[in-house]
Amino acid sequence: LAKTTQPISMDSYEGQEVNITCSHNNIATNDYITWYQQFPSQGPRFIIQGYKTKVTNEVASLFIPADRKSSTLSLPRVSLSDTAVYYCLVVGGPTRDYKLSFGAGTTVTVRA
Amino acid sequence: EPEVTQTPSHQVTQMGQEVILRCVPISNHLYFYWYRQILGQKVEFLVSFYNNEISEKSEIFDDQFSVERPDGSNFTLKIRSTKLEDSAMYFCASSVGATADTQYFGPGTRLTVL
Repeated sequence: LAKTTQPISMDSYEGQEVNITCSHNNIATNDYITWYQQFPSQGPRFIIQGYKTKVTNEVASLFIPADRKSSTLSLPRVSLSDTAVYYCLVVGGPTRDYKLSFGAGTTVTVRA
Repeated sequence: EPEVTQTPSHQVTQMGQEVILRCVPISNHLYFYWYRQILGQKVEFLVSFYNNEISEKSEIFDDQFSVERPDGSNFTLKIRSTKLEDSAMYFCASSVGATADTQYFGPGTRLTVL
């Protein structure tokens, strides 16, 4: 699985846009980029997944450049309830791999 | 919206005792997983299960651990002889397919070994 690197923490204020960039230089052709969110004492929750270009859903947008060596999760107009840990994962790949490999993630703290 | 459920939410046990953590995956899902998260640390993969057998397991998942799907709805994780270091949140997850398919996580069971 491709290794991912993302910032340890980010601070923001309510109403701002938060952009978290993840690098995955060794991403393979069949890999997808997936983001999960985790609140304290809860299980991770799927946010968004993409392969290339841009994906948007009701929660976030995911921007993936043509070389796919990085991706940016964008959270529009955050609120206090968006305070959580956000994980960037690369999933899939040429070999059958069932597990999700979580790193330390990015702790996003939203302040009033 | 369907969700993964887990029981109990909190389990306290004495070292050396056996515990069984229970999960009910989403009904049309075929792949089932257990992860754990020690307080303040990363979420770690333990095991995946498909078609009534283990498809992948990590180094953590040693002979003290076992999984079972005893009926059409439950998925269990058994720890035969708990150790202090088994204290953690244990998350069950399920997915329709494998590899890139979204895994849906349950709320977790907090296991405390005294």
